[in-house]
Amino acid sequence: NAGVTQTPKFRVLKTGQSMTLLCAQDMNHEYMYWYRQDPGMGLRLIHYSVGEGTTAKGEVPDGYNVSRLKKQNFLLGLESAAPSQTSVYFCASSSRNGRDTEAFFGQGTRLTVV
Amino acid sequence: AQSVTQLGSHVSVSEGALVLLRCNYSSSVPPYLFWYVQYPNQGLQLLLKYTSAATLVKGINGFEAEFKKSETSFHLTKPSAHMSDAAEYFCAVSLVYGNKLVFGAGTILRVKS
Repeated sequence: NAGVTQTPKFRVLKTGQSMTLLCAQDMNHEYMYWYRQDPGMGLRLIHYSVGEGTTAKGEVPDGYNVSRLKKQNFLLGLESAAPSQTSVYFCASSSRNGRDTEAFFGQGTRLTVV
Repeated sequence: AQSVTQLGSHVSVSEGALVLLRCNYSSSVPPYLFWYVQYPNQGLQLLLKYTSAATLVKGINGFEAEFKKSETSFHLTKPSAHMSDAAEYFCAVSLVYGNKLVFGAGTILRVKS
């Protein structure tokens, strides 16, 4: 199984450009998440989804939008990219509601905004 | 609020030496705690988790962690480091609501030959 797949793996954007990051999981998981990883700050939750058609804000949602039209896909959009959004973005998914549930991560998207 | 703090952003050990990565938690309810590892240019994968059963938790690749309520700690150890253990390690706590994880800042482990 592929698990969690993120597209693209690398991208360079100019300030003000827009883009969409795609996350696809083949494990039939209900929950999906977008995190950003910055040096010395660990991973911070941007948005998440508890099922098809639902989305919710995480810790750092400003400047991002998401959509979950299909259960297996979770899209992260940047409408007008800013240098502060230079980061590594990780998508994750988990199977069920429960504090002990493991999250499965994609390999990340390295985004640079110049 | 629930949070974790990882002490030491970088740890360097010699091959064969003990690995000790420190994590302290803050939680008003019994915590569920995780250690994840990130190898270079890869995503995170689960090493082990504590879910209120045994206080000593064994994970993959010879790692283990001990939950100590009196010290609010969940330190990660491995008796003998291997070159392949070089990676970044994250401690995380599961929030009470919403199936979400809060991560520490991470510790980069370097293994010297």
